[in-house]
Amino acid sequence: DIQMTQSPSSLSASIGDRVTITCRASQAISNYLAWYQQKPGKVPKLLIYAASTLHSGVPSRFSGSGSGTDFTLTISSLQPEDAATYYCQKYNSNLPVTFGQGTRLEIK
Amino acid sequence: QVQLVDSGGGVVQPGRSLSLACVASGFTFSNYGMHWVRQASGQGLEWVAIISHDGRDKYYRDSVNGRFTIARDNSKNTLYLQMTSLRTEDTAIYYCVKDRSTGWYGGLDSWGQGTLVTVSS
Repeated sequence: DIQMTQSPSSLSASIGDRVTITCRASQAISNYLAWYQQKPGKVPKLLIYAASTLHSGVPSRFSGSGSGTDFTLTISSLQPEDAATYYCQKYNSNLPVTFGQGTRLEIK
Repeated sequence: QVQLVDSGGGVVQPGRSLSLACVASGFTFSNYGMHWVRQASGQGLEWVAIISHDGRDKYYRDSVNGRFTIARDNSKNTLYLQMTSLRTEDTAIYYCVKDRSTGWYGGLDSWGQGTLVTVSS
């Protein structure tokens, strides 16, 4: 099975900071990579799919990049409402679907 | 708008069975793959099973294969998860989730509110 490894596991940043979260696949997955945001007690929400395509309604401060095995989620200017846990997920034809372990983002 | 309403969770003893259901609305249910994803308390997301838009293709994570069955009734816009031989490690919130594609190659764009399954003696 393809493993997805996120780093860091947690981070703390200030309002206005540029934040980057990385996700590495144990095998190449082309661009079959999605990012999700989950706030405490809430349901996960899709942010980005196909590695870099912003899902409808997602603020433009979120962006994604990468292909193959290495991917990044970037928040260009951190806002208070961005405090959450972020997950990457691979969804190429090779099942199972796999999530990263999550990155907890706190606001300083 | 898309709505997914999960139901059927509860407390069940190890070894017993439980069935979950998810009623979909706001989109053409028969056009999309559907998943079950679970999350144990304080833990990350764990994919459980997928069924293709027409119900022909079904896949499971190894730990539930042979114990869980995913199904759908496109005439009723409903997704199901039949769980048997439940184990304590199956305790989690179970989410019904819509794929962006007919199968599992699009990303998960809509999530139900989740239903809690607790396996305990």
